[in-house]
Amino acid sequence: DVLMTQSPLSLPVTLGQPASISCRSSQSLLHSDGNTYLNWFQQRPGQSPRRLIYRVSNRDSGVPDRFSGSGSGTDFTLKISRVEAEDVGVYFCMQGTHWPPITFGQGTRLEIK
Amino acid sequence: EVQLVESGGDLVQPGGSLRLSCAASGFAFSGSAMSWVRQAPGKGLEWVSTINGDNDRAYYADSVKGRFTLSRDTSNNTLSLQMNSLRVDDTAVYYCARSSSWDPWGQGTVVTVSS
Repeated sequence: DVLMTQSPLSLPVTLGQPASISCRSSQSLLHSDGNTYLNWFQQRPGQSPRRLIYRVSNRDSGVPDRFSGSGSGTDFTLKISRVEAEDVGVYFCMQGTHWPPITFGQGTRLEIK
Repeated sequence: EVQLVESGGDLVQPGGSLRLSCAASGFAFSGSAMSWVRQAPGKGLEWVSTINGDNDRAYYADSVKGRFTLSRDTSNNTLSLQMNSLRVDDTAVYYCARSSSWDPWGQGTVVTVSS
């Protein structure tokens, strides 16, 4: 199974400041079809998860452009250029390259400092 | 509007059974891969099961294999998860999601396994 390791697990950020979350996989997520199936999800308090980024760096419709994803192979990053109050929640990475099983990172809790 | 609505969560005793349903609307349900993901209280996300969009083959996490069965009814656009031999550690919010795009997710249904 592919192990997904996120860091940090807790991320206090001042409003307007940038934030960065790392996600590392135990093996390369490059699929034989040339795609890398690494997604990022946001789960606001009391809500269901919502996909923000798919295939490493593609922003979903309606996702603010302050969110960006990058990386390759086993090393991926979600960045928020300027944190806003509505960004509070837990962020998960997920791999869909080597499945079953589909595996998630442990989650990173973003809070306002 | 693309929407998923789960139902069927309840309090059940260890060893009991439960059937979760997920009603889909607003998209081509029969050709879409669909999944269940669960979240134990205060914990992260755990993939449970996926059914393929093309051949309806189902896949399961080792933790539920042999106890859970995933199926779909395309006549009424419903995804079902039959859960047998439930254990205390199956307690969680269960979400269904259109996993061909991992969007949308339903609002979740709560399963509590306790004596």
